[in-house]
This record gives sequence, C-alpha cells and structure tokens, in this order.
Amino acid sequence: KAGVTQTPRYLIKTRGQQVTLSCSPISGHRSVSWYQQTPGQGLQFLFEYFSETQRNKGNFPGRFSGRQFSNSRSEMNVSTLELGDSALYLCASSSVGGATDTQYFGPGTRLTVL
Amino acid sequence: AQKVTQAQTEISVVEKEDVTLDCVYETRDTTYYLFWYKQPPSGELVFLIRRNSFDEQNEISGRYSWNFQKSTSSFNFTITASQVVDSAVYFCALSDPTISSGSARQLTFGSGTQLTVLP
Repeated sequence: KAGVTQTPRYLIKTRGQQVTLSCSPISGHRSVSWYQQTPGQGLQFLFEYFSETQRNKGNFPGRFSGRQFSNSRSEMNVSTLELGDSALYLCASSSVGGATDTQYFGPGTRLTVL
Repeated sequence: AQKVTQAQTEISVVEKEDVTLDCVYETRDTTYYLFWYKQPPSGELVFLIRRNSFDEQNEISGRYSWNFQKSTSSFNFTITASQVVDSAVYFCALSDPTISSGSARQLTFGSGTQLTVLP
C-alpha cells in the first residue's frame, strides 16, 4: 500500500502571500490530520477532517484553514503568511480517526516564509 | 490536561551501545494510548509502536524494546546494539479517547529526543 503523500515537498513564499498544501492519505483511510512542526513549538495539532468535515481544530488563528474532498484527499491553506509560519507541515492519515487509531504520517511540506 | 515529557534533548552513543529514551506522560484518565515515532532527517514521522493503557506487558521487536510502567507514568524505549541508521529524532505521543470526542483525535507529542549514533 502506498503511504501518505504530500505535495509540494518544499515551498518558499514571501510574507503576505497565501499557500495551499496537499495531502493524499493511505488508500482506504478516511481521516486526515495536519500538524505543524517548528523548532520552538515542536509538533502541534492543526486540524482533523473526516468525511469532508472538520471534526477538531487546534489552537491556531483563522488564517489556517483546510478542507477534505470526497476521495479523502485534503488541502490546507495559510493566508497572509507571516515569518513565524515557516515550518514543516505534516499530514497524517488513519482509518476512521478514532483515538485508538494509529496515525501514519507523510514526508511533510517544508514551508519557508521570507 | 495531557502532557508528554521527553527530558533527554540529545543523546549521543557509539555504535553497538544500548540506549534508552525516556518518556513520561500526564493524563487524568485511565484509558489512553501511547505511541513512539521516529523522525529521520528526511522529515517523515515513522510509526514504531502503539500501546494501550490496559496492556503493561513489555514488548520486544528485534533490537527495539519498550517498557511501559503505569505506576510511574513512563513509556521508555530501548535500542539494543545501536546502529548508525538509528540516528533520528524520536517522539513519544499520547492519545486520550476519554476526553471530548473532538480532542480525542489529536496526538500530544513530547519535544523529542535527538539520537546520534556514532560509527
């Protein structure tokens, strides 16, 4: 089975721009979660989607948004980029997103904001 | 509130040495799940093990072993006869299904331990 894929792998943007990241979950997995990883804050939960619905959201400003499509693929969008948004963005998929499920992670998208 | 503490920020060992990575967690509930992930320089988090709070049996998988002790809220990870390829950041994480249904689906991660295995 193919793993979680994320595109693009690297992005460089400037402050004020917006960016869209994409995640394709493992085949058959219906839950997709997003995490932000920075040296200062570590791994932090952004949001989780299941059946095209956001079920859970972490403590991030409204500039961070996401969506999920009927094929379970997910995108996250960050508007009005700030320098502090530079991070590795990791997507994880699990079968139904239950707390007992194991989340499998993709390789991440490394976003640099200049 | 949930919390995971990995007090060891960096560990350096010489190849073939054994190394133990510590993980201490906090949760108010009796039902929870613990995980270990490995993050090599490529960035992807690789799942290693999942353990539920009802199963305190230690587990061994090849050179890896895990010691879960509920009494001390610890879930430590040992690599036996370490190899250079084990060099990575290792994360311990907690999932608590008994908190509100929304929050239950997120993992709380420790800050990670950078393991460097020298040849």
